[in-house]
Amino acid sequence: DIQMTQSPSSLSASVGDRVTITCQASQDISNYLNWYQQKPGKAPKLLIYDASNLETGVPSRFSGSGSGTDFTFTISSLQPEDIATYYCQQYDNLQFTFGPGTKVDIK
Amino acid sequence: EVQLVQSGAEVKKPGESLKISCKGSGYSFTSYWIGWVRQMPGKGLEWMGIIYPGDSDTRYSPSFQGQVTISADKSISTAYLQWSSLKASDTAMYYCATVGVGAPGGHFDYWGQGTLVTVSS
Repeated sequence: DIQMTQSPSSLSASVGDRVTITCQASQDISNYLNWYQQKPGKAPKLLIYDASNLETGVPSRFSGSGSGTDFTFTISSLQPEDIATYYCQQYDNLQFTFGPGTKVDIK
Repeated sequence: EVQLVQSGAEVKKPGESLKISCKGSGYSFTSYWIGWVRQMPGKGLEWMGIIYPGDSDTRYSPSFQGQVTISADKSISTAYLQWSSLKASDTAMYYCATVGVGAPGGHFDYWGQGTLVTVSS
């Protein structure tokens, strides 16, 4: 099984701050890495797929990068509506794994 | 518009069986995998398995293999997740989601609203 780690597990930042979350896979997954946002009581929402592709309708302040085992998710300017938990997710040969999540709060 | 509509909340006793559903519309139901994801109270997302409704090819996470059964009825565009004998530890929110409808790839792009399953004596 491919394991995913995320850091930090939680963070507090001010409105307008740049926020960065990292995700690491236990083995090379090329660019097969996706990012989701989940707000309390809601279903997850796809933000970034295949490491760096912005899902249609997602604001451009969200971005992703990386390949192989190390990936980064960035919010360029944190907004109040970005308060949520963010998950990375890998896929390999029809097996999927989510990272443990990063909870983002406003300071 | 792609939509996944899940069945309503369930309250069951340990040992009972259960089958929850996820009805797809607005896309070719038989042409895309559908996955199931568990979220236990206050916890993260766990991938359970996926099914290709076109031929019912099914893959499970090792953590859920043998614990649940995933199926689909393509005639009514509906996927299912079932348990034969529930445990209190099955208490969770369960989501279905399509895989790569909007663009090819292994991402869950459309999600159901979730089905809350509560197992308690």
